[in-house]
Amino acid sequence: GNSVTQMEGPVTLSEEAFLTINCTYTATGYPSLFWYVQYPGEGLQLLLKATKADDKGSNKGFEATYRKETTSFHLEKGSVQVSDSAVYFCALPNNTDKLIFGTGTRLQVFP
Amino acid sequence: GAVVSQHPSWVICKSGTSVKIECRSLDFQATTMFWYRQFPKQSLMLMATSNEGSKATYEQGVEKDKFLINHASLTLSTLTVTSAHPEDSSFYICSLRRGSGEQYFGPGTRLTVT
Repeated sequence: GNSVTQMEGPVTLSEEAFLTINCTYTATGYPSLFWYVQYPGEGLQLLLKATKADDKGSNKGFEATYRKETTSFHLEKGSVQVSDSAVYFCALPNNTDKLIFGTGTRLQVFP
Repeated sequence: GAVVSQHPSWVICKSGTSVKIECRSLDFQATTMFWYRQFPKQSLMLMATSNEGSKATYEQGVEKDKFLINHASLTLSTLTVTSAHPEDSSFYICSLRRGSGEQYFGPGTRLTVT
């Protein structure tokens, strides 16, 4: 079945640093891919998505490109802020449309 | 996106009692909603799929008699944790599915069983 693997955290960065959180997937066909963000004590929020190969999802300065050659959907941001500190989850649906989540990557940004 | 609310956001109960958590879709009629639980610093674990007007579908290893799910309308699903025990303490999150596989999540309910 479909699966997703993302890099373990925590990722610790200084403000304005460049961020990459790696995510690779295994899937039948080309399902949509998602990044969700969870701020402390809150539920998950959809951060961005890509619905087909070569699509780039973007939101709040974050970007991720759906790359079928490398089966990857890495999350990037050029200049992180303290307010970006959260846990980030890569996800994709399985063949019954249930979401499969990665283990989550905690990002800590210090001033 | 869809707006999803949960109530309560935080509850403490005594061991052996039951707790009901509500999940509401505020701007979308959801035939399918999902219930997850999340332990500290871990990913989400899908517990069950809640289907409007029919029985919920539980994931393997989830006790359906302990975690009662009722999806009585297109905007409300409830999860009742029956005879709660300390090991049921967790963060419970609901979501609804909309569009091309994406899900929209509620803010979560933190349950503490003493």
